[in-house]
Amino acid sequence: DIQMTQSPASLSASLGETVTIECLASEDIYDILAWYQQKPGKSPQLLIYDASSLHTGVPSRFSGSGSGTQYSLKINSLQPEDFASYYCQNGLSAPLTFGSGTKLEIK
Amino acid sequence: EVQLVESGGGLVKPGSSLKLSCVASGFTFSSYGMHWIRQAPKKGLEWIALIYYDSSNKYYADSVKGRFTISRDNSKNTLYLEMNSLRSEDTAMYYCAKKGYNNYFDYWGQGVMVTVSS
Repeated sequence: DIQMTQSPASLSASLGETVTIECLASEDIYDILAWYQQKPGKSPQLLIYDASSLHTGVPSRFSGSGSGTQYSLKINSLQPEDFASYYCQNGLSAPLTFGSGTKLEIK
Repeated sequence: EVQLVESGGGLVKPGSSLKLSCVASGFTFSSYGMHWIRQAPKKGLEWIALIYYDSSNKYYADSVKGRFTISRDNSKNTLYLEMNSLRSEDTAMYYCAKKGYNNYFDYWGQGVMVTVSS
């Protein structure tokens, strides 16, 4: 099984700041990686797929990058609605595995 | 607009069974694979099952293999998850999700809670 190691587990930032969340796969996943945002009490929503492609309707302040085993999610100019939890996901092969999540909080 | 609505959750005792449903609308259900994903209280996300658009292939996480069965009825636009031999560690919010490009989850339902407790 492919293990996804996500860091940091939590992150505190201010409005307008830029933050980066990292995800490390236990083996090469050939950019078949997605990022999801989950707000409290809500279901997750797809932000980015194929490591760097924005899902429909996702603001351009979100971006993804990486290759091989190392991937990152960058959020520019944090807005109030961005404070949430974020998860990476391996889409290469079953079992489909998630990172443990990053909780982004307002400083 | 894509909509996925889960139902069938509740409080059950260890060892019992439960069947979840997910009714889909806003897309051609019979053309897409579907997933079940769960999230234990205050925990992360765990993928548990995938079914292809035509039910030709099904995949399960090891944690539920042999106990849970994913199925679908394309004539009713409905996805199912039959859960047997339930354990306390199966307590979670269960989400159905539409299979997007590759094995991504591009649309999610609102979730249904399953609590396994004596």
